[in-house]
Amino acid sequence: DTAVSQTPKYLVTQMGNDKSIKCEQNLGHDTMYWYKQDSKKFLKIMFSYNNKELIINETVPNRFSPKSPDKAHLNLHINSLELGDSAVYFCASSQGPQETQYFGPGTRLLVL
Amino acid sequence: GESVGLHLPTLSVQEGDNSIINCDYSNSASDYFIWYKQESGKGPQFIIDIRSNMDKRQGQRVTVLLNKTVKHLSLQIAATQPGDSAVYFCAENKGGGNKLTFGTGTQLKVEL
Repeated sequence: DTAVSQTPKYLVTQMGNDKSIKCEQNLGHDTMYWYKQDSKKFLKIMFSYNNKELIINETVPNRFSPKSPDKAHLNLHINSLELGDSAVYFCASSQGPQETQYFGPGTRLLVL
Repeated sequence: GESVGLHLPTLSVQEGDNSIINCDYSNSASDYFIWYKQESGKGPQFIIDIRSNMDKRQGQRVTVLLNKTVKHLSLQIAATQPGDSAVYFCAENKGGGNKLTFGTGTQLKVEL
């Protein structure tokens, strides 16, 4: 019974392609997040949604578009993939602000 | 700007010894701090948190100390075990918002 799940776990694609990563949480949380972890393991928040509403949008290229169809899902669509997008992308969820964030297993994206 | 930094990128300890992982933060407005553990190939896992109205909090084999005067946070792991080998991140949150700012991470290696 995975709390926060992501698909796919691995994603290898060519530059210029469009891809999506899916995230689902079964914790009943109101808030979900996307983080990017680079090759030096630095974790940086990209987006946060609360009750399907975007509340954090860090300095992320417009090619990245999150979508929350319902409270339990937060998907990330990336257009025109670039080499620098290669990273591990983590989804997380929390009950609310300043509550513990639970992370998914990550999606390892490699752009060739 | 705000930043969260760690003293050492790698910490090696003998099995059974105590480990201390340190973290400095620069934003005096931060009022919530969390330690995460990330094992290889997995997502960050919550270990322990502390709010700014406390200076110490204990969990199972772990203790977090907060020194607001010098903006310093530490994680102490008692009787370190091989299973504790991972990258440890401190993260800060300010003002009740959803945004966590992560430090650069410390690799803990437990030697048998």
